[in-house]
Amino acid sequence: NAGVMQNPRHLVRRRGQEARLRCSPMKGHSHVYWYRQLPEEGLKFMVYLQKENIIDESGMPKERFSAEFPKEGPSILRIQQVVRGDSAAYFCASSQQGANVLTFGAGSRLTVL
Amino acid sequence: AQRVTQPEKLLSVFKGAPVELKCNYSYSGSPELFWYVQYSRQRLQLLLRHISRESIKGFTADLNKGETSFHLKKPFAQEEDSAMYYCALSPDSNYQLIWGAGTKLIIKP
Repeated sequence: NAGVMQNPRHLVRRRGQEARLRCSPMKGHSHVYWYRQLPEEGLKFMVYLQKENIIDESGMPKERFSAEFPKEGPSILRIQQVVRGDSAAYFCASSQQGANVLTFGAGSRLTVL
Repeated sequence: AQRVTQPEKLLSVFKGAPVELKCNYSYSGSPELFWYVQYSRQRLQLLLRHISRESIKGFTADLNKGETSFHLKKPFAQEEDSAMYYCALSPDSNYQLIWGAGTKLIIKP
């Protein structure tokens, strides 16, 4: 069991480009969560998804950010027209249905130049 | 407002000394509290949760509703305890965890 897989681990983008971060949940987990960690801050909830369904996106910025969890394939967090303030570590976690104990991926570190 | 506060960004103690990582929360309901740990070059993982009332790697944490605290304690620190520790709160046991900023624990030999 490979656990929660995130890629890429490190991503460098220039301002205005798009960033795509991928997350494959742990086997048997149907729920995916994305968190963002800015430097010197704690984890901030972004979005909670099930397959083909966004359950809660209350933590997502209203513009430029989107997330999906298709029927097949990984969950994707997409950031359009990145700005320097998007530089952060983005963590994905998964859980079984109805559980609040999360299994985390290793994170994807986005650097915007 | 729901909030988790870890007042110490950095805590440094000698091996064998007692350790206490502080966590205070602000929430009026019946939350579930967690401690997560991130060792160097490893991913964040659950250390313990208050409903389990168990000791993991020698660590314990007691939920004090009067003081709204969930401090993490270990009587004798070991070098392998060096890591980032995050306290988290789940409001009314739903899925959305609210996180503290984390405390970096350094155990000196």
